[in-house]
Amino acid sequence: AQSVAQPEDQVNVAEGNPLTVKCTYSVSGNPYLFWYVQYPNRGLQFLLKYITGDNLVKGSYGFEAEFNKSQTSFHLKKPSALVSDSALYFCAVRARRDDKIIFGKGTRLHILP
Amino acid sequence: DSGVTQTPKHLITATGQRVTLRCSPRSGDLSVYWYQQSLDQGLQFLIQYYNGEERAKGNILERFSAQQFPDLHSELNLSSLELGDSALYFCASSVWEGALNEQFFGPGTRLTVL
Repeated sequence: AQSVAQPEDQVNVAEGNPLTVKCTYSVSGNPYLFWYVQYPNRGLQFLLKYITGDNLVKGSYGFEAEFNKSQTSFHLKKPSALVSDSALYFCAVRARRDDKIIFGKGTRLHILP
Repeated sequence: DSGVTQTPKHLITATGQRVTLRCSPRSGDLSVYWYQQSLDQGLQFLIQYYNGEERAKGNILERFSAQQFPDLHSELNLSSLELGDSALYFCASSVWEGALNEQFFGPGTRLTVL
């Protein structure tokens, strides 16, 4: 069965510093991987996805994620954090032969001014 | 604004009751997904419809049912409600049924069961 883990409930980063939000997955075969962000009292917004090809995927708002097949990880990164990046971030995985999408429990990102 | 609308925004009801949540997908999107978000369970996929037909099923209880109508809007019916059903229910839509497509989420319906 496919699964996704976000090992950190919360990540605190000072504004201007690089940030990383971790995600690992388990799926049979090659995965489709996604990152979504949820701001307070809003629905989720799509940030980026990995389907195939280049392991470094660039997305919205300056975010990027690196697919690492050997470590089964898909960590979200940004070179310089903004206070406005503070939100709840979800990693999601979908097996290629299965339409179900599984979301991680989310990581709350706090960017400190 | 994602283009996905959900009504109502808030719903307060009592245990044992039945409610219907409504979702209108983005114009042109054929797939609709329903999710439940709670503090203890996180974001759980419930069910997906594509062009009126059920496409995938997740952790949806037998007390819950959904359908997608010819105009592509969808309804999620929750019956015999329990306190534990209190949660935020999201609808999302995408263009196709396949796994390549990102989903666009509505603002959610907050259900409170007293």
